[in-house]
Amino acid sequence: GAGVSQSPRYKVAKRGQDVALRCDPISGHVSLFWYQQALGQGPEFLTYFQNEAQLDKSGLPSDRFFAERPEGSVSTLKIQRTQQEDSAVYLCASSFLASGQGNEKLFFGSGTQLSVL
Amino acid sequence: SQKIEQNSEALNIQEGKTATLTCNYTNYSPAYLQWYRQDPGRGPVFLLLIRENEKEKRKERLKVTFDTTLKQSLFHITASQPADSATYLCAPGYMEYGNKLVFGAGTILRVKS
Repeated sequence: GAGVSQSPRYKVAKRGQDVALRCDPISGHVSLFWYQQALGQGPEFLTYFQNEAQLDKSGLPSDRFFAERPEGSVSTLKIQRTQQEDSAVYLCASSFLASGQGNEKLFFGSGTQLSVL
Repeated sequence: SQKIEQNSEALNIQEGKTATLTCNYTNYSPAYLQWYRQDPGRGPVFLLLIRENEKEKRKERLKVTFDTTLKQSLFHITASQPADSATYLCAPGYMEYGNKLVFGAGTILRVKS
């Protein structure tokens, strides 16, 4: 596709439910990032993939959060036993280069807005 | 941890004027700094990147400066238009953090016609 695609666009979950958020990066992009954005705040880093390898998951807030990118393209962010504090917009971003080369710009999807009731 | 500060209040300016947005950072000096635009309900869109050894970068009506002594970046939009109204995010990149971008909270810009 032409850009980064995320689905679903909106997700409402009852507290305690598991959710799965999908990201389709731009074809050929090596790097994939997940960010969490609370209302009125900037995106906060969650995790980073270089191809299929998860090289950094230091931003995941708890062990309820899990991300994968098994074939180096599509990625899924899974949140188990959702809590109200998980309510936020989850953004996926990709870039052509491997992170660390210092000159990559990120292409973001429109995000998934998660509301936990 | 790194702290990124952007104008907390919205910036309201008249069409045709120059908008200047501020980004201040603490502690480590970033290897580079990116600016993004974010519209409501959308993801951020990349605008400009400036490296630590560059003082200024321009792209059409946009200009970014990077002062490592002041630990500050300024983002200017000249001849502003109502279509420039959006939230602008500053995102320094730090070698110490594996070159992950650390985003500020953003500044809301409103350009009135």
